Amino acid sequence: EADIYQTPRYLVIGTGKKITLECSQTMGHDKMYWYQQDPGMELHLIHYSYGVNSTEKGDLSSESTVSRIRTEHFPLTLESARPSHTSQYLCASSAGTGPNQPQHFGDGTRLSIL
Amino acid sequence: RKEVEQDPGPFNVPEGATVAFNCTYSNSASQSFFWYRQDCRKEPKLLMSVYSSGNEDGRFTAQLNRASQYISLLIRDSKLSDSATYLCVVSGVNDYKLSFGAGTTVTVRA
Repeated sequence: EADIYQTPRYLVIGTGKKITLECSQTMGHDKMYWYQQDPGMELHLIHYSYGVNSTEKGDLSSESTVSRIRTEHFPLTLESARPSHTSQYLCASSAGTGPNQPQHFGDGTRLSIL
Repeated sequence: RKEVEQDPGPFNVPEGATVAFNCTYSNSASQSFFWYRQDCRKEPKLLMSVYSSGNEDGRFTAQLNRASQYISLLIRDSKLSDSATYLCVVSGVNDYKLSFGAGTTVTVRA
């Protein structure tokens, strides 16, 4: 079983608040990812990182930002939450070397902005 | 055109039946292929990797057809617990990002 943890699991918060979604993994994986998924819809990559101090935007435009100061930690921040940010956010990680490396997912954070 | 396309289903099958479905991918240079399973309101979980020669894991068999750019998943002797959405996942080239299909929903009934 993969060791990747997300907190909080659920968050209901008002518009305009600053939010940080936490993601940590204990596997020493170099690559980490954030996805956004609405109910019944496909996953969309919003950010990824290939290692410490490396971050890239994904395929779906997002108003969030990420940082990667430590290998095990990849937090996602929304500076000013809006109702359009309501979604499920999934963090994943994968080993760094070679192809055929699957991604392992955390339990996700369900975010509701009122 | 989406990078990965799947028949959304749903496939409704009785217990014990065999169910099979495909997905197609657009990037002929893709190197890695996976099937993930996602239960309702849960995170995706790796079901199996898909290798060029095809591979089996218990009741699940995956095949890769590079010429036609599709992969398939076959489930034998379906169980109620197999009810889920199955995500077809394909890597890009040289960057190891994964592209996820929208999923095929399978419902196994008693």
